[in-house]
Amino acid sequence: GDSVTQMEGPVTLSEEAFLTINCTYTATGYPSLFWYVQYPGEGLQLLLKATKADDKGSNKGFEATYRKETTSFHLEKGSVQVSDSAVYFCALHNNNDMRFGAGTRLTVKP
Amino acid sequence: DAGITQSPRHKVTETGTPVTLRCHQTENHRYMYWYRQDPGHGLRLIHYSYGVKDTDKGEVSDGYSVSRSKTEDFLLTLESATSSQTSVYFCAISESGTSGNLNEQFFGPGTRLTVL
Repeated sequence: GDSVTQMEGPVTLSEEAFLTINCTYTATGYPSLFWYVQYPGEGLQLLLKATKADDKGSNKGFEATYRKETTSFHLEKGSVQVSDSAVYFCALHNNNDMRFGAGTRLTVKP
Repeated sequence: DAGITQSPRHKVTETGTPVTLRCHQTENHRYMYWYRQDPGHGLRLIHYSYGVKDTDKGEVSDGYSVSRSKTEDFLLTLESATSSQTSVYFCAISESGTSGNLNEQFFGPGTRLTVL
C-alpha cells in the first residue's frame, strides 16, 4: 500500500537557521502531497500542499516541491523562528486514503 | 478555523468497557475521518465516511466501529476497549475525498483516551 517516510527527529535548530525535513513516498497513481503542522495540545493544521508533479507549495516561509522522479516532498525554510517549534507531518492523499509520516519534532532555540 | 468539535476531550476507562467518541462539524462537509495518533506512527486512519450511512474501513479498523446518521455527526465506538487502544483520537473533515484542490482535511482538537 501507499506509505510516507520522513526523517526522524527530534530536530533542534538555532533561530534563523536553515531547515530541511526530508519526506519520501510510495504510491500508485498520482497522489496529492501535504505538510501538516501540529502545535502542542492541538490538532493538525495544513501548512502547504501540492497536487501534481513539479508543483511548489508554500506558506509562512515554508516551501516544498513535488518531485515525482525522486518521489520526494522535502520541507524547507530559510530562517526558522522560535514560533516554528512544532511537530511536522508529511502526508499523501490517494483514492480516499490518507497516509501520514511518523512526524518530525522541531525545536527552535533563541 | 473549521467548526469541528470532539467529545469528550479526555477519557479514562477500563479494559472491556464500551466507549463512544463523538465528532461534530458545522461545515456541512461530506467526508469525515477518524484517526489515531501514536508515537512513532504518526496518524493512522481508522474509518472514514463519504456520506450519511456510508462508511468504509481504514488502515487500522479492527476493534472499532463507526456510525453516521447525520451529516454533522460521526461516532467512533470501541465495543470492548483494550489497553492497545490507548491513544489520541482525531476527527477530520473534508469537502472532497478525491484528488485535487478540495481534499484538504481539517482536524478537530483530539480526544485523549486511556484504557487501564
